[in-house]
Amino acid sequence: DAEITQSPRHKITETGRQVTLACHQTWNHNNMFWYRQDLGHGLRLIHYSYGVQDTNKGEVSDGYSVSRSNTEDLPLTLESAASSQTSVYFCASSGGLAGAEEQFFGPGTRLTVL
Amino acid sequence: KQEVTQIPAALSVPEGENLVLNCSFTDSAIYNLQWFRQDPGKGLTSLLLIQSSQREQTSGRLNASLDKSSGRSTLYIAASQPGDSATYLCAVRLIGAGNMLTFGGGTRLMVKP
Repeated sequence: DAEITQSPRHKITETGRQVTLACHQTWNHNNMFWYRQDLGHGLRLIHYSYGVQDTNKGEVSDGYSVSRSNTEDLPLTLESAASSQTSVYFCASSGGLAGAEEQFFGPGTRLTVL
Repeated sequence: KQEVTQIPAALSVPEGENLVLNCSFTDSAIYNLQWFRQDPGKGLTSLLLIQSSQREQTSGRLNASLDKSSGRSTLYIAASQPGDSATYLCAVRLIGAGNMLTFGGGTRLMVKP
């Protein structure tokens, strides 16, 4: 069955370190998204991609970057981790260009920045 | 800016009750609305997707309705069960916003045996 996987599932890092969170989908979807989920703020969009070599900033993109070199993967990089980036990160994907399709979510990565 | 609100934030009901979860949004120019379920410590599971041209969608004991003109959607759960306990999130895709979703804060549901 097609799925979205995220790794690692849990990560503890120190302030100032670079961290990369992996997202891999086997749906062959064009569209991929990164969200963060925090108490009191809900789910907020960080970055998104509509295809290979395409990346776009979302609502809370400062301090994060993404790259899309193939259809299946959209890694999220925290350039210099800050305590404010302690959160649960979700990757999602959807198919098609019209956007009528559902978004499917991965299991999440819980990141703690000390 | 599109705002999505879910009321109540938390709900506790006895098993077997029929219940309604509410979702409201400020901008009616939407492509679609999606309902999700999230279990503690888990990712989001898509429940139903309603296109802007549709009035409702059904899946098993779940029925979602959409009234775009009034900016409202409801998720109806029939004959609730303890296994329905979870947080339910609605999200809208706004016209002109690409494929991005704007999420509500969720309703945390507990169904007591």
